[in-house]
Amino acid sequence: AQKITQTQPGMFVQEKEAVTLDCTYDTSDPSYGLFWYKQPSSGEMIFLIYQGSYDQQNATEGRYSLNFQKARKSANLVISASQLGDSAMYFCAMREGAGSARQLTFGSGTQLTVLP
Amino acid sequence: DSGVTQTPKHLITATGQRVTLRCSPRSGDLSVYWYQQSLDQGLQFLIQYYNGEERAKGNILERFSAQQFPDLHSELNLSSLELGDSALYFCASSARTDRVTPYEQYFGPGTRLTVT
Repeated sequence: AQKITQTQPGMFVQEKEAVTLDCTYDTSDPSYGLFWYKQPSSGEMIFLIYQGSYDQQNATEGRYSLNFQKARKSANLVISASQLGDSAMYFCAMREGAGSARQLTFGSGTQLTVLP
Repeated sequence: DSGVTQTPKHLITATGQRVTLRCSPRSGDLSVYWYQQSLDQGLQFLIQYYNGEERAKGNILERFSAQQFPDLHSELNLSSLELGDSALYFCASSARTDRVTPYEQYFGPGTRLTVT
Protein backbone atom coordinates (compact mmCIF):
# COMPACT_ATOMS: atom_id res chain seq x y z
CA ALA A 1 0.00 0.00 0.00
CA GLN A 2 1.14 3.52 -0.71
CA LYS A 3 2.27 5.28 2.42
CA ILE A 4 1.82 8.76 0.97
CA THR A 5 -0.78 9.49 -1.69
CA GLN A 6 -1.05 12.70 -3.65
CA THR A 7 -3.99 12.34 -5.98
CA GLN A 8 -3.56 15.59 -7.92
CA PRO A 9 -0.81 15.25 -10.54
CA GLY A 10 -1.42 18.85 -11.62
CA MET A 11 -3.23 21.88 -10.26
CA PHE A 12 -3.86 25.37 -11.57
CA VAL A 13 -4.59 28.44 -9.47
CA GLN A 14 -5.07 32.09 -10.26
CA GLU A 15 -2.54 34.50 -8.82
CA LYS A 16 -3.59 35.85 -5.39
CA GLU A 17 -6.06 32.99 -4.85
CA ALA A 18 -5.65 30.25 -2.25
CA VAL A 19 -5.01 26.64 -3.25
CA THR A 20 -5.13 23.32 -1.40
CA LEU A 21 -2.85 20.45 -2.30
CA ASP A 22 -4.05 17.07 -1.05
CA CYS A 23 -2.05 14.47 0.80
CA THR A 24 -3.20 11.32 2.56
CA TYR A 25 -0.94 9.00 4.47
CA ASP A 26 -0.97 5.50 5.85
CA THR A 27 0.87 4.41 8.97
CA SER A 28 0.20 2.31 12.04
CA ASP A 29 2.89 4.08 14.04
CA PRO A 30 1.40 6.53 16.56
CA SER A 31 4.46 8.76 16.28
CA TYR A 32 5.12 10.30 12.89
CA GLY A 33 5.84 13.57 11.17
CA LEU A 34 4.48 15.03 7.97
CA PHE A 35 6.42 17.37 5.71
CA TRP A 36 5.84 19.42 2.61
CA TYR A 37 8.63 20.28 0.20
CA LYS A 38 8.66 22.49 -2.88
CA GLN A 39 10.73 21.62 -5.93
CA PRO A 40 11.01 24.43 -8.49
CA SER A 41 12.11 23.72 -12.04
CA SER A 42 15.71 24.36 -10.96
CA GLY A 43 15.51 21.08 -9.04
CA GLU A 44 16.33 21.90 -5.43
CA MET A 45 14.09 20.62 -2.63
CA ILE A 46 12.89 23.38 -0.33
CA PHE A 47 11.42 22.53 3.08
CA LEU A 48 8.12 24.33 3.64
CA ILE A 49 6.30 23.07 6.70
CA TYR A 50 6.17 20.28 9.28
CA GLN A 51 3.39 18.72 11.37
CA GLY A 52 4.00 16.23 14.16
CA SER A 53 1.44 13.55 14.93
CA TYR A 54 1.05 14.78 18.48
CA ASP A 55 0.83 18.45 17.59
CA GLN A 56 -2.50 19.85 18.73
CA GLN A 57 -2.59 22.76 16.34
CA ASN A 58 -2.21 22.93 12.60
CA ALA A 59 1.21 24.12 11.51
CA THR A 60 1.59 27.47 9.78
CA GLU A 61 4.59 29.11 8.14
CA GLY A 62 3.85 32.43 6.49
CA ARG A 63 1.54 31.79 3.53
CA TYR A 64 1.69 28.04 4.09
CA SER A 65 -0.56 26.15 6.43
CA LEU A 66 -1.11 22.48 6.95
CA ASN A 67 -4.68 21.23 7.35
CA PHE A 68 -4.04 18.19 9.55
CA GLN A 69 -6.97 15.82 9.97
CA LYS A 70 -5.61 12.91 11.96
CA ALA A 71 -8.71 10.71 11.89
CA ARG A 72 -8.88 10.98 8.13
CA LYS A 73 -5.09 10.62 7.80
CA SER A 74 -4.82 13.69 5.67
CA ALA A 75 -2.29 16.51 5.71
CA ASN A 76 -3.26 18.99 3.03
CA LEU A 77 -1.10 21.99 2.23
CA VAL A 78 -2.87 25.30 1.88
CA ILE A 79 -1.07 28.12 0.10
CA SER A 80 -2.75 31.48 0.54
CA ALA A 81 -2.42 34.43 -1.83
CA SER A 82 -0.62 32.44 -4.54
CA GLN A 83 2.28 34.07 -6.32
CA LEU A 84 3.81 33.30 -9.69
CA GLY A 85 6.90 32.05 -7.87
CA ASP A 86 4.83 29.34 -6.22
CA SER A 87 4.70 27.45 -9.52
CA ALA A 88 6.59 24.25 -8.75
CA MET A 89 6.24 20.59 -7.86
CA TYR A 90 5.08 20.01 -4.30
CA PHE A 91 5.85 16.84 -2.38
CA CYS A 92 4.23 15.51 0.76
CA ALA A 93 6.46 13.26 2.88
CA MET A 94 6.24 11.27 6.09
CA ARG A 95 8.71 10.24 8.74
CA GLU A 96 7.55 7.26 10.81
CA GLY A 97 8.56 6.51 14.37
CA ALA A 98 9.79 8.55 17.26
CA GLY A 99 13.01 10.47 16.91
CA SER A 100 13.96 12.97 14.30
CA ALA A 101 16.77 11.11 12.55
CA ARG A 102 14.68 8.93 10.28
CA GLN A 103 14.20 8.77 6.54
CA LEU A 104 11.30 10.30 4.66
CA THR A 105 8.82 8.56 2.39
CA PHE A 106 7.59 10.82 -0.39
CA GLY A 107 4.41 11.02 -2.40
CA SER A 108 4.41 11.31 -6.18
CA GLY A 109 4.01 15.08 -6.09
CA THR A 110 1.62 17.72 -7.41
CA GLN A 111 2.68 20.13 -10.13
CA LEU A 112 1.22 23.54 -9.26
CA THR A 113 0.93 26.22 -11.90
CA VAL A 114 0.01 29.75 -10.85
CA LEU A 115 -1.69 31.71 -13.61
CA PRO A 116 -1.29 35.50 -13.95
CA ASP B 1 20.69 28.03 0.51
CA SER B 2 20.03 24.98 2.71
CA GLY B 3 23.62 24.72 3.92
CA VAL B 4 23.97 21.23 2.45
CA THR B 5 26.49 21.04 -0.39
CA GLN B 6 26.79 18.40 -3.06
CA THR B 7 29.40 17.88 -5.73
CA PRO B 8 29.43 17.58 -8.62
CA LYS B 9 26.26 19.26 -9.86
CA HIS B 10 26.25 17.29 -13.08
CA LEU B 11 27.91 14.04 -14.06
CA ILE B 12 27.82 12.33 -17.42
CA THR B 13 29.34 8.90 -17.68
CA ALA B 14 29.08 5.65 -19.63
CA THR B 15 27.50 2.37 -18.74
CA GLY B 16 29.70 0.11 -16.67
CA GLN B 17 31.58 2.97 -15.06
CA ARG B 18 31.87 3.91 -11.39
CA VAL B 19 31.22 7.35 -9.91
CA THR B 20 31.38 8.97 -6.48
CA LEU B 21 28.97 11.64 -5.32
CA ARG B 22 29.94 13.81 -2.39
CA CYS B 23 27.84 15.53 0.25
CA SER B 24 28.67 17.90 3.08
CA PRO B 25 25.86 18.25 5.63
CA ARG B 26 24.84 21.45 7.38
CA SER B 27 27.19 22.43 10.15
CA GLY B 28 26.39 20.37 13.23
CA ASP B 29 24.02 17.92 11.53
CA LEU B 30 24.85 14.32 12.39
CA SER B 31 22.51 12.51 10.00
CA VAL B 32 22.99 12.24 6.27
CA TYR B 33 20.43 10.73 3.93
CA TRP B 34 20.71 9.84 0.28
CA TYR B 35 17.68 9.91 -2.02
CA GLN B 36 17.26 9.12 -5.69
CA GLN B 37 14.74 10.95 -7.86
CA SER B 38 13.92 9.38 -11.20
CA LEU B 39 11.00 9.79 -13.56
CA ASP B 40 9.71 6.26 -13.14
CA GLN B 41 10.43 5.68 -9.43
CA GLY B 42 9.86 9.15 -7.99
CA LEU B 43 11.79 10.16 -4.88
CA GLN B 44 13.19 7.15 -3.08
CA PHE B 45 15.24 6.82 0.06
CA LEU B 46 18.50 4.97 -0.44
CA ILE B 47 20.50 5.00 2.77
CA GLN B 48 21.09 6.94 6.00
CA TYR B 49 24.17 7.50 8.12
CA TYR B 50 24.17 8.89 11.62
CA ASN B 51 27.42 10.10 13.11
CA GLY B 52 29.48 7.78 10.94
CA GLU B 53 27.38 4.65 11.26
CA GLU B 54 24.83 3.23 8.87
CA ARG B 55 21.38 3.81 10.41
CA ALA B 56 18.86 2.70 7.79
CA LYS B 57 18.75 1.23 4.31
CA GLY B 58 16.07 1.73 1.72
CA ASN B 59 15.87 0.68 -1.90
CA ILE B 60 19.59 0.77 -2.47
CA LEU B 61 21.05 -1.53 -5.08
CA GLU B 62 23.99 -3.77 -4.21
CA ARG B 63 26.02 -1.89 -6.82
CA PHE B 64 25.64 1.22 -4.70
CA SER B 65 27.40 1.91 -1.42
CA ALA B 66 27.91 4.85 0.87
CA GLN B 67 29.93 5.96 3.84
CA GLN B 68 30.13 8.85 6.27
CA PHE B 69 33.51 10.11 7.32
CA PRO B 70 34.68 11.44 10.72
CA ASP B 71 34.15 15.02 9.52
CA LEU B 72 30.54 13.95 8.75
CA HIS B 73 30.71 14.40 5.00
CA SER B 74 29.35 11.47 3.04
CA GLU B 75 30.02 9.81 -0.27
CA LEU B 76 27.72 7.69 -2.40
CA ASN B 77 29.49 5.27 -4.70
CA LEU B 78 27.67 3.95 -7.74
CA SER B 79 29.34 1.18 -9.72
CA SER B 80 28.63 -0.88 -12.85
CA LEU B 81 26.36 1.92 -13.94
CA GLU B 82 23.32 1.20 -16.08
CA LEU B 83 21.13 3.50 -18.14
CA GLY B 84 18.42 3.20 -15.49
CA ASP B 85 20.69 4.74 -12.87
CA SER B 86 20.31 8.12 -14.56
CA ALA B 87 18.61 10.27 -11.95
CA LEU B 88 18.91 13.21 -9.61
CA TYR B 89 20.65 12.15 -6.42
CA PHE B 90 19.95 14.20 -3.33
CA CYS B 91 21.71 14.32 -0.05
CA ALA B 92 19.86 15.64 2.98
CA SER B 93 20.93 16.26 6.55
CA SER B 94 19.23 16.62 9.90
CA ALA B 95 19.65 16.18 13.66
CA ARG B 96 21.67 19.07 14.89
CA THR B 97 22.85 18.52 18.40
CA ASP B 98 22.09 22.07 19.47
CA ARG B 99 18.40 22.04 18.62
CA VAL B 100 15.59 20.98 20.90
CA THR B 101 13.44 19.56 18.15
CA PRO B 102 15.67 18.83 15.18
CA TYR B 103 13.15 17.45 12.76
CA GLU B 104 13.64 19.12 9.40
CA GLN B 105 15.61 17.45 6.67
CA TYR B 106 17.39 19.99 4.54
CA PHE B 107 18.29 18.95 1.04
CA GLY B 108 21.34 19.74 -1.01
CA PRO B 109 21.00 20.94 -4.59
CA GLY B 110 21.43 17.42 -5.96
CA THR B 111 23.76 15.74 -8.43
CA ARG B 112 22.25 15.01 -11.81
CA LEU B 113 23.72 11.78 -13.11
CA THR B 114 23.37 10.88 -16.76
CA VAL B 115 24.49 7.44 -17.86
CA THR B 116 24.94 7.09 -21.62
